[in-house]
Amino acid sequence: AQKVTQVQTEISVVEKEDVTLDCVYETRDTTYYLFWYKQPPSGELVFLIRRNSFDEQNEISGRYSWNFQKSTSSFNFTITASQVVDSAVYFCALSEVGYTGGFKTIFGAGTRLFVKA
Amino acid sequence: NAGVTQTPKFRVLKTGQSMTLLCAQDMNHEYMYWYRQDPGMGLRLIHYSVGEGTTAKGEVPDGYNVSRLKKQNFLLGLESAAPSQTSVYFCASSYGQGGRETQYFGPGTRLLVL
Repeated sequence: AQKVTQVQTEISVVEKEDVTLDCVYETRDTTYYLFWYKQPPSGELVFLIRRNSFDEQNEISGRYSWNFQKSTSSFNFTITASQVVDSAVYFCALSEVGYTGGFKTIFGAGTRLFVKA
Repeated sequence: NAGVTQTPKFRVLKTGQSMTLLCAQDMNHEYMYWYRQDPGMGLRLIHYSVGEGTTAKGEVPDGYNVSRLKKQNFLLGLESAAPSQTSVYFCASSYGQGGRETQYFGPGTRLLVL
């Protein structure tokens, strides 16, 4: 069955610290997609990244980086040199392609990140 | 270029009333989605559409109906609202399904059912 577990419920760091948000997923499919989203206090959702199961390359985008490891079913997100503006709830999600050609997406419960100045 | 817009931003309904939430995107995206977010939880997919005239059920479709008569619009209907449908509703769109893509979200609609 599909499942997404975000290990940390809340993390608190001081500005400029590096922080890693863990995401572990379960799926029986060989084709699937993984996502990270950011939800700042204002409430809107910001798409950060999507990876497919056949692409295990790590990705870096500015201060953000993602580590995808199929062997451990993990898709972890690291923020380098955190800033106050990074304070938000971060969601990890898994999407499987169904037999009918559609797909279903499961979100983790979220990790709330507090970055103190 | 407005991106993804949602109407209304906030609504209060009484149990049993009906309403329609409108999502509009001006990016010519094929894929559109409706999610709900409950306090302290992640998003749950209600319905989605892979193109004009097509819709499909997501994780929590019961109590909702959708239509995609025009490519740019995706409507979410509640025929008989229940307090359990109190939530924040997000619409999203994307240009593709496979490979790497970007999903764009609307600002959300807060719905309170009394």
